[in-house]
Amino acid sequence: GQNIDQPTEMTATEGAIVQINCTYQTSGFNGLFWYQQHAGEAPTFLSYNVLDGLEEKGRFSSFLSRSKGYSYLLLKELQMKDSASYLCASMIYNQGGKLIFGQGTELSVKP
Amino acid sequence: ETGVTQTPRHLVMGMTNKKSLKCEQHLGHNAMYWYKQSAKKPLELMFVYNFKEQTENNSVPSRFSPECPNSSHLFLHLHTLQPEDSALYLCASSQDDLRVTTGELFFGEGSRLTVL
Repeated sequence: GQNIDQPTEMTATEGAIVQINCTYQTSGFNGLFWYQQHAGEAPTFLSYNVLDGLEEKGRFSSFLSRSKGYSYLLLKELQMKDSASYLCASMIYNQGGKLIFGQGTELSVKP
Repeated sequence: ETGVTQTPRHLVMGMTNKKSLKCEQHLGHNAMYWYKQSAKKPLELMFVYNFKEQTENNSVPSRFSPECPNSSHLFLHLHTLQPEDSALYLCASSQDDLRVTTGELFFGEGSRLTVL
């Protein structure tokens, strides 16, 4: 089966660093995505990892370990506007190509 | 503005009603998707269309009927729904089938459906 786990919610302080973990057990794995979704808005693409290692993009970085079925999203210098749901998604290749999503991590940034 | 527009944004319907959700993308993409988002649950893939042809039906009940008249428009026709079908229905598009492209999806803001 396909299974993706991430914490339901997290709280962090403005200006701090937070790491959101995601573990996956999926067959036909072909990459790991992170999306951000503010309340009442569309999910928007943050990052894509297909090879092991760290991808940095401004304040956001994403890490992947394929052997461990593990990824994390690192958010630095947190801002209040970073309060949102962060969705981890695994791309499955051998079933026609589709994204399987985790339930999302609701991040609250406090002053 | 993601380039994917969904209407209506909110819909309330009775179990015997027939209604439709509409999605339009202005990105020139070839693949379109319907996802269901329920509270505290993962996004669930419902249907995939690639070049107007349905390539995925994820065991969705027949009371949900998709239609893709062209690569820019996608509909979800609803009839005799159940209260448990109340959810946010998200439309998305990608440049090509996810077997071809890296898989960035562009989502609409969703249609919030309430079934009474």
